Amino acid sequence: EPEVTQTPSHQVTQMGQEVILRCVPISNHLYFYWYRQILGQKVEFLVSFYNNEISEKSEIFDDQFSVERPDGSNFTLKIRSTKLEDSAMYFCASRAFTPPETQYFGPGTRLLVL
Amino acid sequence: AQSVAQPEDQVNVAEGNPLTVKCTYSVSGNPYLFWYVQYPNRGLQFLLKYITGDNLVKGSYGFEAEFNKSQTSFHLKKPSALVSDSALYFCAVREGGGSARQLTFGSGTQLTVLP
Repeated sequence: EPEVTQTPSHQVTQMGQEVILRCVPISNHLYFYWYRQILGQKVEFLVSFYNNEISEKSEIFDDQFSVERPDGSNFTLKIRSTKLEDSAMYFCASRAFTPPETQYFGPGTRLLVL
Repeated sequence: AQSVAQPEDQVNVAEGNPLTVKCTYSVSGNPYLFWYVQYPNRGLQFLLKYITGDNLVKGSYGFEAEFNKSQTSFHLKKPSALVSDSALYFCAVREGGGSARQLTFGSGTQLTVLP
């Protein structure tokens, strides 16, 4: 069964450093998402991406964040200058065009900012 | 705006007993409702969804959920719990047909099935 994959599984970085989190969505999916889950808190939406542009973004997704689909398979989330409060589990998700409802999630990248 | 409430942080049930994990939601239009399960150090696994049609939906691993429009609820149920069902369960909602396609999640309910 096809699944969403994410790399790395864990990332430790120093405050102020740039990080890039990578995702490979399910191959025939057209919509891509990033969510995050701060330890002990709920899963929060960051951004959705369709047709090579951002569809929606939350207030969390400020200028420090960017997303890109650099080729036909990868979908990346970049945090330009990490802050301590960026420490969280980051989930990538994807969904097909039809049926449009179900988002399938990757295993997540645990980011720790020191 | 859309929101989800999972009123119980923790649910404990004995193996073989029925289980219920509660969820209520709020959306402006028709709801699309989902349950996901998260095992330790794993991602979110899709369990089941309600989009339209029969109010009782069946999903993976013997789970089912009942959509109740008047009570704005979508409780997750299983007739006979297994120890392996122990995990963190998330209810999620989005407005159907609207431009807001992102999911809004509840805070999660930790289910522990005791042997």
